[in-house]
Amino acid sequence: DVQMTQSPSTLSASVGDTVTITCRASQSISTWLAWYQQKPGKAPNLLIYKASNLETGVPSRFSGSGSGTEFTLTISSLQPDDLATYYCQQYHSPFTFGQGTRLEIK
Amino acid sequence: QVQLVQSGAEVKKPGASVKISCKATGYTFTSYHFSWVRQAPGQGLEWMGRVSGYNDANGDTTYAPKFRDRVTMTTDASTSTAYLELRSLRSDDTAVYYCARDSLMKLAFDYWAQGTLVTVSS
Repeated sequence: DVQMTQSPSTLSASVGDTVTITCRASQSISTWLAWYQQKPGKAPNLLIYKASNLETGVPSRFSGSGSGTEFTLTISSLQPDDLATYYCQQYHSPFTFGQGTRLEIK
Repeated sequence: QVQLVQSGAEVKKPGASVKISCKATGYTFTSYHFSWVRQAPGQGLEWMGRVSGYNDANGDTTYAPKFRDRVTMTTDASTSTAYLELRSLRSDDTAVYYCARDSLMKLAFDYWAQGTLVTVSS
């Protein structure tokens, strides 16, 4: 099974900052990676699919990159509404998620 | 618009079974799979398995190894509803269970239901 290692586990940043979250796969997954945002008490929401494709309706401040085993999610011009936990997920069965990154706004 | 709506919260005793429904509207049910994901209190997301909504797939399923002997996922195209049944419940099965539309085009779960809290307690 493919294991996903996400870092950091917690991130604190100020409004207007640019932040980066990293996800590493235990073996190559090409670009079969998605990123989700989960706000407290809510279901996850798809942000990025196939590593770098922005889901419809998601602000362009969110971007994804990477292939193979290393991937990044970048959030530029951080907004208060970005307070959430972010998860990566690989799409080789059995699907697995990273442990999550909790983003705190200073 | 695409919408997934799950059945309500459940309280079960250890050893019992639970069956959760997920009704889909706003798209062609038979063009997508469903995946089920759970989240224990304060924990991350855990994929449980997938069931095909395709007409010609006969409800093909793929289960995560951890759940293979206790879970059954099914669909009913006549009502556009997917189901998750989990048997032999234990206290560590207490979690919010989510169904999600599983898109082979995007290789991701592009719509999620609101979740169902299952509490297992004696």
